[in-house]
Amino acid sequence: SFELTQPPSVSVSPGQAARITCSGDALAKQYGYWYQQKPGQAPILVIYKDSERPSGIPERFSGSHSGTAVTLTISGAQAEDEADYYCQSADTSDTDFVFGPGTKVTVL
Amino acid sequence: EVQLVESGGGLVKPGGSLRLSCAASGFTFTQAWMSWVRQAPGKGLEWVGRIKSKTDGGTTDYGAPVKGRFSISRDDSKNTLYLQMNSLKTEDTAVYYCTTHPISIFGVASNWFDPWGQGTLVTVPS
Repeated sequence: SFELTQPPSVSVSPGQAARITCSGDALAKQYGYWYQQKPGQAPILVIYKDSERPSGIPERFSGSHSGTAVTLTISGAQAEDEADYYCQSADTSDTDFVFGPGTKVTVL
Repeated sequence: EVQLVESGGGLVKPGGSLRLSCAASGFTFTQAWMSWVRQAPGKGLEWVGRIKSKTDGGTTDYGAPVKGRFSISRDDSKNTLYLQMNSLKTEDTAVYYCTTHPISIFGVASNWFDPWGQGTLVTVPS
């Protein structure tokens, strides 16, 4: 298996940008994906293939990839964006999937 | 609308067995690659395992913590995914989510998960 690392928490003021970086060797060859999870709810996909945004996800969510890291940016963070965010990737044989430990985003 | 509804969770003694089900609707289940992901109370997400479509061989892969104890199967006639859990341990206590690997326009299953069911809680007390 492999590992992905993320900061445990990020704080942002309303209207400012929040950035979460996820690192891991597997990301050198694989895409990164991001999920948002609010308390008591199932995760939802917010970014796939590093920077693609699913339909219905606000434009303020964006992603980027550089080397062995992927970054999720929430531009103009809103109170409703408070949640846990998980990065995820796959091994090179596409038979093992790993999540980062999660980052709690607080908007205050 | 895609819907995934898990069921079968509950309280089970250590060493016991349990089978979870996931009823799927709103998409072509026979073509879908499906995964189970779990989340222990207050913890992060952990991939449990995946099953490919029968067209793609119907093979399974599992995460290291459950390999040899858990088994994923599917009944395409019922649009239902299963997770058979044997030799359960206290550390298997978690909410278990059913999810799909979206299929691209080229017919290739993706490495991400979307959407997810609401989950079912499995508790293995100490």
